[in-house]
Amino acid sequence: SQKIEQNSEALNIQEGKTATLTCNYTNYSPAYLQWYRQDPGRGPVFLLLIRENEKEKRKERLKVTFDTTLKQSLFHITASQPADSATYLCALTGGYSSASKIIFGSGTRLSIRP
Amino acid sequence: GAVVSQHPSRVICKSGTSVKIECRSLDFQATTMFWYRQFPKQSLMLMATSNEGSKATYEQGVEKDKFLINHASLTLSTLTVTSAHPEDSSFYICSATTGGMTNEKLFFGSGTQLSVL
Repeated sequence: SQKIEQNSEALNIQEGKTATLTCNYTNYSPAYLQWYRQDPGRGPVFLLLIRENEKEKRKERLKVTFDTTLKQSLFHITASQPADSATYLCALTGGYSSASKIIFGSGTRLSIRP
Repeated sequence: GAVVSQHPSRVICKSGTSVKIECRSLDFQATTMFWYRQFPKQSLMLMATSNEGSKATYEQGVEKDKFLINHASLTLSTLTVTSAHPEDSSFYICSATTGGMTNEKLFFGSGTQLSVL
């Protein structure tokens, strides 16, 4: 069956360091992969999308890589700040139509300590 | 960015009552909306895909008679939890994609915390 795994349930790092989160998937051929941020008691907020034919995407302090051979995506936050503390979700979808389902990983709870 | 409004944000109800949750796309038309539920410290689990003007498509294991979905217009979808029980207590979130044919980038409502006593 299809499976999405975010290896670390929780990650705690020092302010200023780079946070790296991992998303692995099996039995799936995604058209693209997305990363979302979720704060407690709130809905997720879209951060970045990377397509199957892209290797890397950047947005300000965020960087996402996508390796379809390894079936893995890495999500990096450079120069991390306490305000980056949140749960980060990866999500996969197999198609581009508006009706294609988007499946979420279980999330990694990131804590940035001052 | 596109805004999805969901309300109520919190509901406390007695067992056996029905609860309706509304999800509106405020500045775009959403032909497709998705309903998720999320238990504490777990990920979002897709419950159903709501298509405007047609019946919703439910995921395996989700009771369609218990979770009634109505997508009557391009900007409104509702989820009604019928005869709610304590095990239905959860965080319910709706989402929608912006206009067009692609599902790139979901926009989420702020969620509804349902507590059934």
